[in-house]
Amino acid sequence: NAGVTQTPKFRILKIGQSMTLQCTQDMNHNYMYWYRQDPGMGLKLIYYSVGAGITDKGEVPNGYNVSRSTTEDFPLRLELAAPSQTSVYFCASSRQRTSGGKNTGELFFGEGSRLTVL
Amino acid sequence: TQLLEQSPQFLSIQEGENLTVYCNSSSVFSSLQWYRQEPGEGPVLLVTVVTGGEVKKLKRLTFQFGDARKDSSLHITAAQPGDTGLYLCAGANYGGSQGNLIFGKGTKLSVKP
Repeated sequence: NAGVTQTPKFRILKIGQSMTLQCTQDMNHNYMYWYRQDPGMGLKLIYYSVGAGITDKGEVPNGYNVSRSTTEDFPLRLELAAPSQTSVYFCASSRQRTSGGKNTGELFFGEGSRLTVL
Repeated sequence: TQLLEQSPQFLSIQEGENLTVYCNSSSVFSSLQWYRQEPGEGPVLLVTVVTGGEVKKLKRLTFQFGDARKDSSLHITAAQPGDTGLYLCAGANYGGSQGNLIFGKGTKLSVKP
């Protein structure tokens, strides 16, 4: 069972270039997420999706775009890369679970994609 | 803006010692999760707590959710080098989507043999 798979693992971009980080999951989870992790800053949510065809902005969406055409795939697009987008990017998925009406779904993370913009 | 403050930010101890890390907020969360992240990998869920005052144990790890559901602690007994990693707490709001999950900045633990 592969879980959440991200590609590429490493990438160096020049300022102004564009690229797409790929993410696929094989657990049939309805929720998918993109986070970025900067040193000492924890995880910041970029975009998330509650199902195919539905996406929504997280805390730090500027400079990024997403799409969710299938349950399995949730690519993250960087347009006009900037040095501020240098970070480690994590894709995650979850199945909505509730306990007493509370959202308790476990996030399953990929191994991360380390992006450097020079 | 909801925030989760974790302390300490860094912790370096010897094998066999006990330790406690904290996750505090001024906001109420419907549930709280603890994750551990090892270098070069994504975070992995350790536990979810949902009831105020709840205590959960996972081998040598004890997790507690505050009575008011604003804070949580993680206690490790007799730490081992395999416990080394970044510990992240994450709070979820009532209902809504998992997009409301708020992460703390993490506690980086190093256990030396």
